[in-house]
Amino acid sequence: KAGVTQTPRYLIKTRGQQVTLSCSPISGHRSVSWYQQTPGQGLQFLFEYFSETQRNKGNFPGRFSGRQFSNSRSEMNVSTLELGDSALYLCASSLGDTGDYGYTFGSGTRLTVV
Amino acid sequence: GQNIDQPTEMTATEGAIVQINCTYQTSGFNGLFWYQQHAGEAPTFLSYNVLDGLEEKGRFSSFLSRSKGYSYLLLKELQMKDSASYLCAVRDWRQLTFGSGTQLTVLP
Repeated sequence: KAGVTQTPRYLIKTRGQQVTLSCSPISGHRSVSWYQQTPGQGLQFLFEYFSETQRNKGNFPGRFSGRQFSNSRSEMNVSTLELGDSALYLCASSLGDTGDYGYTFGSGTRLTVV
Repeated sequence: GQNIDQPTEMTATEGAIVQINCTYQTSGFNGLFWYQQHAGEAPTFLSYNVLDGLEEKGRFSSFLSRSKGYSYLLLKELQMKDSASYLCAVRDWRQLTFGSGTQLTVLP
């Protein structure tokens, strides 16, 4: 079966712009989580959605937002981009809302802010 | 919040056994995961422990002691392709938090 699909794979944006990233989970998975990965900070939790509801949110500024659609696809938006937002953004899908079945990651979107 | 510690780097020889330790502090423990991540790739799921004890899966085993806030990942019969970052992640009632990862280098 198809894995977790993230688009686009690479993005280059200018400071001050906004960006939208997309994540399509494994078919049947209802939970989608987003993470930011940087060399200095590692993998940091952004937010988690389950059945279109944001369940949890990490310690990121309000410029980072997301949503989940009825088909479980999720989008993440970052407004007013800063240089420090350059990172690999990963999404992960899970069958349930507690992760008991493990989280499957997509290949990520590499965002570069110049 | 959560605090997860694991060694930054480890080196081992092909064919050997290596143990990667992870200690954590959390409230509302709801499971511990190990992931493998090769450079430039997505993390891939290795193991999940929610009860104390050892879970074995081929060349990989993971152990958990909830009372000690301790887990380890054991890799046997190391192969060159095992060179990667190994991430320990703990789930509480709220989120999955990752450690900084242990970069394992397997030498011939």
